[in-house]
Amino acid sequence: AQSVTQPDIHITVSEGASLELRCNYSYGATPYLFWYVQSPGQGLQLLLKYFSGDTLVQGIKGFEAEFKRSQSSFNLRKPSVHWSDAAEYFCAVYRNDMRFGAGTRLTVKP
Amino acid sequence: GAVVSQHPSRVICKSGTSVKIECRSLDFQATTMFWYRQFPKKSLMLMATSNEGSKATYEQGVEKDKFLINHASLTLSTLTVTSAHPEDSSFYICSAPGAQDTGELFFGEGSRLTVL
Repeated sequence: AQSVTQPDIHITVSEGASLELRCNYSYGATPYLFWYVQSPGQGLQLLLKYFSGDTLVQGIKGFEAEFKRSQSSFNLRKPSVHWSDAAEYFCAVYRNDMRFGAGTRLTVKP
Repeated sequence: GAVVSQHPSRVICKSGTSVKIECRSLDFQATTMFWYRQFPKKSLMLMATSNEGSKATYEQGVEKDKFLINHASLTLSTLTVTSAHPEDSSFYICSAPGAQDTGELFFGEGSRLTVL
């Protein structure tokens, strides 16, 4: 069955530390891949997307993600986290419609 | 970039009443729109795909008579929660694909429904 998995429900990192949020997908062929961020009570903001080509994609706010076909993964990274990055992060895949992972809540410690 | 607007952003209603939520594509035409529901601290669940000029396609388990979707024009889709009950309280988000079929969706701001 097609699915999007975010293994980590909640992650806490210290401000200035690096961050990696995991995402795995299970689809017959490589779908389009996205990362979105959601602040409490707000809509979704697109961080970055992968359609094809270079497997390392750069996004807004200093985020990047790497597509690894062999691992069916699309992990999100940031070298140095800021307190304003605290939010809910969703990995999503698109074939005929958009499906979301369960989300990872990021807490940033001072 | 493309803008999708939802209205109202918050609505409180009494149990048994119906509530309509509008989703508009402001600077582009959308033959398809997607409606999602998000429970507190949960992910977005696709409810239905709204198709301009035809019937919506509902996901399994979504009551089409409870959640009426109308997509009467290329810039407007509406979701009507009929005979609302407290368990219908949720955050509803609409989205529309951009002009190029790249899979990228543009999301509305969301509508918080509270049923008393």
